[in-house]
Amino acid sequence: QQPVQSPQAVILREGEDAVINCSSSKALYSVHWYRQKHGEAPVFLMILLKGGEQKGHEKISASFNEKKQQSSLYLTASQLSYSGTYFCGTDILGASNTGKLIFGQGTTLQVKP
Amino acid sequence: DGGITQSPKYLFRKEGQNVTLSCEQNLNHDAMYWYRQDPGQGLRLIYYSQIVNDFQKGDIAEGYSVSREKKESFPLTVTSAQKNPTAFYLCASTRTPRGNQPQHFGDGTRLSIL
Repeated sequence: QQPVQSPQAVILREGEDAVINCSSSKALYSVHWYRQKHGEAPVFLMILLKGGEQKGHEKISASFNEKKQQSSLYLTASQLSYSGTYFCGTDILGASNTGKLIFGQGTTLQVKP
Repeated sequence: DGGITQSPKYLFRKEGQNVTLSCEQNLNHDAMYWYRQDPGQGLRLIYYSQIVNDFQKGDIAEGYSVSREKKESFPLTVTSAQKNPTAFYLCASTRTPRGNQPQHFGDGTRLSIL
């Protein structure tokens, strides 16, 4: 039931792009994306709802492919501040009146100067 | 500013001891959640509460207990039955118990065994 994130880790130079994927074996109502710095609380990035929408904010955007039950997070022109661990959290269709999320194992992103 | 406050930041537990982690929110959120995070892993749900005076078990509830007597408070007790309690514990809340709501997290409590 846990979504699978790929890759597990990625190292970038400043200015490079990255894509992080999150795949579920269950039909989803929503996919959440969070970023966590070491020893800190996760910070909300965005939610994508069933319907295959794409959302974005500045240089970080995401898409949700409803047919594949897969979401992708796009980081363009990466900055040092993008370093951290990225988690997707999935809300399974039919259980969406609880707010429960099942989180992936995380993708560690390191941006080097 | 509104937010979630977890205390203490660090906690040490002796063998056979119960310890309680505090989580308080002033966001007026209905739903609250407790997660456990082990090194290099994702977040696993321990308990959640959709409304005051009600709570349900998550995926790893064994060895833990909670209460929700007030809307703003959702304390977690790690009992002596939890044999491997060393982890980072995160409390979160959402305005309503729906999957279209972002989860707001506290700064966490790091629990270790003495």
